[in-house]
Amino acid sequence: GQNIDQPTEMTATEGAIVQINCTYQTSGFNGLFWYQQHAGEAPTFLSYNVLDGLEEKGRFSSFLSRSKGYSYLLLKELQMKDSASYLCAVRPLYKNNRKLIWGLGTSLAVNP
Amino acid sequence: KAGVTQTPRYLIKTRGQQVTLSCSPISGHRSVSWYQQTPGQGLQFLFEYFSETQRNKGNFPGRFSGRQFSNSRSEMNVSTLELGDSALYLCASSGASGGGETQYFGPGTRLLVL
Repeated sequence: GQNIDQPTEMTATEGAIVQINCTYQTSGFNGLFWYQQHAGEAPTFLSYNVLDGLEEKGRFSSFLSRSKGYSYLLLKELQMKDSASYLCAVRPLYKNNRKLIWGLGTSLAVNP
Repeated sequence: KAGVTQTPRYLIKTRGQQVTLSCSPISGHRSVSWYQQTPGQGLQFLFEYFSETQRNKGNFPGRFSGRQFSNSRSEMNVSTLELGDSALYLCASSGASGGGETQYFGPGTRLLVL
């Protein structure tokens, strides 16, 4: 089957660093996405990884290891506004089916 | 570029009624995907349309249907509404790009079925 696992909840302190992990088992692999979703709002795109390694974008970085079926999202210098749900999604690789497989999301609470 | 728009933003219906939701993708995007989101269930894929054709379909009953027009605007319809259909319905558009066809979401339509 196809599966994506993320921790359900995490808590961190303003100004700190937090790492949100995502592991996946899918039929092939054609890219991994991270999205941020604030309560009551739509998901917004954060990052896309298709090759192994770290992609840095400001305070946010995303890492991918295809051999381990593993990714993480690293948030630095946490701010209160980073309190949100973080969704991991994988695009499998099989013929004529390109729909994303979504994790349930990690709810991050940033405390002062 | 304008983002993805969805109408209406909020809707209240009663069991047995039907509802039509609309989505206008980002200009130039030809793919529109629809999702249902409920607490604890995450994003559940409904279907994807590309150039007026349904390209992928999720595991929802036939009460859920959709279509796409020549201008890439899409509608989804839910007939014979049930209480369990109360959810946030999101559409996402994507276009061919180097970013793995990143999906960009609209603000969603929050449907409440009474």
